[in-house]
Amino acid sequence: ETGVTQTPRHLVMGMTNKKSLKCEQHLGHNAMYWYKQSAKKPLELMFVYSLEERVENNSVPSRFSPECPNSSHLFLHLHTLQPEDSALYLCASSPNHRYGYTFGSGTRLTVV
Amino acid sequence: GESVGLHLPTLSVQEGDNSIINCAYSNSASDYFIWYKQESGKGPQFIIDIRSNMDKRQGQRVTVLLNKTVKHLSLQIAATQPGDSAVYFCAENIKGNKLVFGAGTILRVKS
Repeated sequence: ETGVTQTPRHLVMGMTNKKSLKCEQHLGHNAMYWYKQSAKKPLELMFVYSLEERVENNSVPSRFSPECPNSSHLFLHLHTLQPEDSALYLCASSPNHRYGYTFGSGTRLTVV
Repeated sequence: GESVGLHLPTLSVQEGDNSIINCAYSNSASDYFIWYKQESGKGPQFIIDIRSNMDKRQGQRVTVLLNKTVKHLSLQIAATQPGDSAVYFCAENIKGNKLVFGAGTILRVKS
């Protein structure tokens, strides 16, 4: 365990479904991130939260909606996804934006 | 724009040999670099980092070399073991901005 826990580990959803990914950290970190990892591509930063405030949204489609209710929890709400959204979604946290990124094990998402 | 890339997508080495994984970066303003290891079914895990005021840094069985002249970063793994099989990513950071990751190199260790 890295200190960053993601659930579920695997998710299969239809294009009309609504689901949510959850991330939890108890490392006392101030920043949390969502990354998308597709095969043979660099990690794509999706969203950044700093002290529960969204500070970055990297042109992510609106079918992905993040939520950070407190400094320990981060959600990614999914609706009307496309098959090309199938990927590994990784959550990370860090004490600041520069150092100490700790990643969860990810949620393997398959959109059918 | 900034980019971090890897020369070799897949590296196969014999158990016990040394491994060298390479990474090129394009932004000369990057001043902090990190290597991550990602095993199957897990998220990336920190291996070693280096600041731009250093050329070399050693850890346990790993060494990172930084050549700022050619914007090149390498990770050396001594006496490679089967447990070293994973995807290795380099990442760069520019003075407080978010990390930029490379695509990754697959390391396969043959027994």
